Amino acid sequence: QTVVTQEPSFSVSPGGTVTLTCGLSSGSVSTSYYPSWYQQTPGQAPRTLIYSTNTRSSGVPDRFSGSILGNKAALTITGAQADDESDYYCVLYMGSYWVFGGGTKLTVL
Amino acid sequence: QVQLVQSGAEVKKPGASVKVSCKASGYTFTSYGISWVRQAPGQGLEWMGWISAYNGNTNYAQKLQGRVTMTTDTSTSTAYMELRSLRSDDTAVYYCARRRIAAAGTWFDPWGQGTLVTVSS
Repeated sequence: QTVVTQEPSFSVSPGGTVTLTCGLSSGSVSTSYYPSWYQQTPGQAPRTLIYSTNTRSSGVPDRFSGSILGNKAALTITGAQADDESDYYCVLYMGSYWVFGGGTKLTVL
Repeated sequence: QVQLVQSGAEVKKPGASVKVSCKASGYTFTSYGISWVRQAPGQGLEWMGWISAYNGNTNYAQKLQGRVTMTTDTSTSTAYMELRSLRSDDTAVYYCARRRIAAAGTWFDPWGQGTLVTVSS
């Protein structure tokens, strides 16, 4: 049973930088898992932020960036704004199916 | 613009079936697949499966095998997800999302607005 791990919660000050991570219960995340990231606010559908590890989706501000850090995928928000307060989900492609992480609730305060 | 519009909320009794639709517009329907993802109240996202709109090939999450069927109607650019033998823990918002594929990867974009399915006696 593949488990994708994310921090349950994180907080950042306005204007600050935060890095959310996406790992595997066993093994390392690499670009071969095509990690992608989605932002979701309450009552709304997810919005695509990053795909293929580090490619920003159309219209996504450049303060959002993706990378591989060590053995995890990472989403970095540089210069956090109040409306970045959301849930963030990563998902990994396992070759024939996908597994979502449990999500990270980001608070901006 | 590319858009996925889903059918409205449903209330079902345990043991019943539900069929959710997802109508695509703004792109060539048969050039992409459609994935289905659900989210139970207060919980995270769960991948359910996907279907190729090109040839109808499907792949379902193991835990839903035997209860879920995904289909497409290319004449109306609509994808469907049917879930049978509903239980209370199937209560969730169900999303469709277009599966994007490129040399560098695969991802979901855009997403439908979601359909709330409530299972209650």
